[in-house]
Amino acid sequence: DVKVTQSSRYLVKRTGEKVFLECVQDMDHENMFWYRQDPGLGLRLIYFSYDVKMKEKGDIPEGYSVSREKKERFSLILESASTNQTSMYLCASAAPPGTGGYEQYFGPGTRLTVT
Amino acid sequence: GDSVTQMEGPVTLSEEAFLTINCTYTATGYPSLFWYVQYPGEGLQLLLKATKADDKGSNKGFEATYRKETTSFHLEKGSVQVSDSAVYFCALRRIGSGNTGKLIFGQGTTLQVKP
Repeated sequence: DVKVTQSSRYLVKRTGEKVFLECVQDMDHENMFWYRQDPGLGLRLIYFSYDVKMKEKGDIPEGYSVSREKKERFSLILESASTNQTSMYLCASAAPPGTGGYEQYFGPGTRLTVT
Repeated sequence: GDSVTQMEGPVTLSEEAFLTINCTYTATGYPSLFWYVQYPGEGLQLLLKATKADDKGSNKGFEATYRKETTSFHLEKGSVQVSDSAVYFCALRRIGSGNTGKLIFGQGTTLQVKP
């Protein structure tokens, strides 16, 4: 079974703190994604990575950065957390569609509260 | 740009009732279409998919047919169970996303099934 794990299920941080969210997948997938999930808005793509050290901005990258030093690990960084970044953060991984991969495999999510 | 619109929830049904969750999309060409399900406290998982017009995806008693003429991919189940209570997301894979497999998600529809 594909497994995508996220470092924390719940996290509470203060405004202005630097926050690291970690994601690890065990399927040797090239593609990894970070989303945020908010009620009424569905999932919105923050950043995407298609290889080690390669990244692309998604639809809402402002206030976030990412790091992918190893293929299995994709980190989301909130440089200076703000209250409007309180949300559920979901990580996903996938094989490239060209190899027949369609499915994105999701981690359980990290519910981040910024106070 | 490409987009996905789902019916607003929550949807509340009694056990064994018929379920329809509407999903329409806006996209150029023929995107691949997906339904993902998120059970309480978990990440999303793929429920079913369809990759070309008139395809029918099915899994666990759920079905959805890719209707190009109405740009729709409605989710149906003949008899829901309490265990089907979850949030359901419709998604499309962007044309021209190359080997990235990026998805656009709808807002999500919460289904609650009562015994």
